[in-house]
Amino acid sequence: DQQVKQNSPSLSVQEGRISILNCDYTNSMFDYFLWYKKYPAEGPTFLISISSIKDKNEDGRFTVFLNKSAKHLSLHIVPSQPGDSAVYFCAASSSNSGGSNYKLTFGKGTLLTVNP
Amino acid sequence: GAGVSQSPSNKVTEKGKDVELRCDPISGHTALYWYRQSLGQGLEFLIYFQGNSAPDKSGLPSDRFSAERTGGSVSTLTIQRTQQEDSAVYLCASSLRPLYNEQFFGPGTRLTVL
Repeated sequence: DQQVKQNSPSLSVQEGRISILNCDYTNSMFDYFLWYKKYPAEGPTFLISISSIKDKNEDGRFTVFLNKSAKHLSLHIVPSQPGDSAVYFCAASSSNSGGSNYKLTFGKGTLLTVNP
Repeated sequence: GAGVSQSPSNKVTEKGKDVELRCDPISGHTALYWYRQSLGQGLEFLIYFQGNSAPDKSGLPSDRFSAERTGGSVSTLTIQRTQQEDSAVYLCASSLRPLYNEQFFGPGTRLTVL
């Protein structure tokens, strides 16, 4: 039973255009969401996060949108750059998990390719 | 400042053998996590250490898996009697505090069980 789903295994966009990566979740207890970026042969690196009390969080070219009613979040990258090519993981956590809010539940990832 | 390091980077073993994977967290980080990423899957939580508290082992898939953290620093993940389904990338992360947005990951150990 996958609680965090990234239904698009891959996405290809042109440099300068917008990249939109989507993530859906099923556990209504999740109240904190994160995006990680992973290059080959490296560990994931934290990119941006959002709390369920917000519906948008922006950091430079990266913006995460949260739609709680739809249990959906998305990561927008504008403008996309070739260096953004990587696997992007969506992750979620719950502060009501009996003190184990450190447990992150990850999606399977989306491979983003930004073409020059 | 050095990041999280893991060794070996790659490990090939035969079914039934034991393996040890090592993680050196960032100095001063009190929390340490192990995750596993099987082919085509997301990261799966395995175990969590925080200071001198009892570890959270709830993610370990079977009793063949165990982990230690000596002196609050280096951690070793041991898999006994390896099976082919244990083949995965094993990732270690550490954080200064047990906050989910501050986990720094190592490069991982790719384990292949033949």
